[in-house]
Amino acid sequence: QQPVQSPQAVILREGEDAVINCSSSKALYSVHWYRQKHGEAPVFLMILLKGGEQKGHEKISASFNEKKQQSSLYLTASQLSYSGTYFCGTLSGNTPLVFGKGTRLSVIA
Amino acid sequence: DGGITQSPKYLFRKEGQNVTLSCEQNLNHDAMYWYRQDPGQGLRLIYYSQIVNDFQKGDIAEGYSVSREKKESFPLTVTSAQKNPTAFYLCASSLGPLSYEQYFGPGTRLTVT
Repeated sequence: QQPVQSPQAVILREGEDAVINCSSSKALYSVHWYRQKHGEAPVFLMILLKGGEQKGHEKISASFNEKKQQSSLYLTASQLSYSGTYFCGTLSGNTPLVFGKGTRLSVIA
Repeated sequence: DGGITQSPKYLFRKEGQNVTLSCEQNLNHDAMYWYRQDPGQGLRLIYYSQIVNDFQKGDIAEGYSVSREKKESFPLTVTSAQKNPTAFYLCASSLGPLSYEQYFGPGTRLTVT
């Protein structure tokens, strides 16, 4: 079952912050985050494993609350290069990664 | 340079024809995947393979077939049974099964008329 991402789309000015949420109805083993720029392949950002950890990648970080079966991606002081569609992928048990429908992020000057 | 290649980038076919999309990786990854991407739908899994000579259906396998005869190669055939084949197709690979990060190829945009 596809995880649900919110919001579906967001527009930011450079320097603003954003949060993208990903929630699942299933118990999760891990959450993956990817970013895809228009017409390009998705690129891996980070994996969060069961344990409620928070990870960071430059000014992009994420958290994983396994009790709530939710993950959030935090983008701080956004840059034009952050524009793209962000996908979360969730892993439950022994089944392959299931991706959400994506959140389209547009950063404008 | 290590990576995943997909060819061709754009492919046009007439309805009723089978077409095979190529996916090759030189990352020495065990697992490979095929996804279909439609606007607003995210990435949906067609087939995946965790090891040579073995593969499993994903969520939308109907009308597609795959083979995994070599570790480096995982071609996808879109058959005439696929009702709506026009889409962007992405191939990916990962070092190990399921939980490892996936590396994606550049994709093939298939148009069937």
